[in-house]
Amino acid sequence: GAGVSQTPSNKVTEKGKYVELRCDPISGHTALYWYRQSLGQGPEFLIYFQGTGAADDSGLPNDRFFAVRPEGSVSTLKIQRTERGDSAVYLCASSLVPSGTDTQYFGPGTRLTVL
Amino acid sequence: QQQVKQSPQSLIVQKGGISIINCAYENTAFDYFPWYQQFPGKGPALLIAIRPDVSEKKEGRFTISFNKSAKQFSLHIMDSQPGDSATYFCAARGGSYIPTFGRGTSLIVHP
Repeated sequence: GAGVSQTPSNKVTEKGKYVELRCDPISGHTALYWYRQSLGQGPEFLIYFQGTGAADDSGLPNDRFFAVRPEGSVSTLKIQRTERGDSAVYLCASSLVPSGTDTQYFGPGTRLTVL
Repeated sequence: QQQVKQSPQSLIVQKGGISIINCAYENTAFDYFPWYQQFPGKGPALLIAIRPDVSEKKEGRFTISFNKSAKQFSLHIMDSQPGDSATYFCAARGGSYIPTFGRGTSLIVHP
């Protein structure tokens, strides 16, 4: 079956612009996670959805970052007034149900470059 | 504040050798310790995971050793192959569903 997909694979934007990054989770997975991975670092948690609601958004760095999952499937990460420091790979993951040992399946990521 | 410390940052081994990557954690609430493998241009993929009620878990050529008292765990890759060349991340999770990742180890296996 299809895995987690993310679009676009690469996004180049200018400082101050608005960007949207899309994640299509594995069908039937109720939990969806967004991470940010900077060069040479491990993934850093941003936000976690259970169904349509954000169950934990404690990792969002500031109010320029926002994410939605209106129908409990596809999610969009939105970044306003982008800054050069936002440049990173943004990873999405999904899992069947959230539990202590659920496997999170990651997408290939969107590489965001802010010029 | 780095809750999971991983070493080494990079590792080069010969084909057939043993690769060893170490991690240490601070938060005693962590109760699930997965390892992820990431190839360039791909997302991390779960490789193997362990709970602290066991000291070792083996799956094929991959073994996790866990030392609860020392708050350390390690990944051993036996008979390392060039196809194992990738970045490996340890992680720790407890209480919430959100893993805390180490900084990663870039492994190169020479043929």
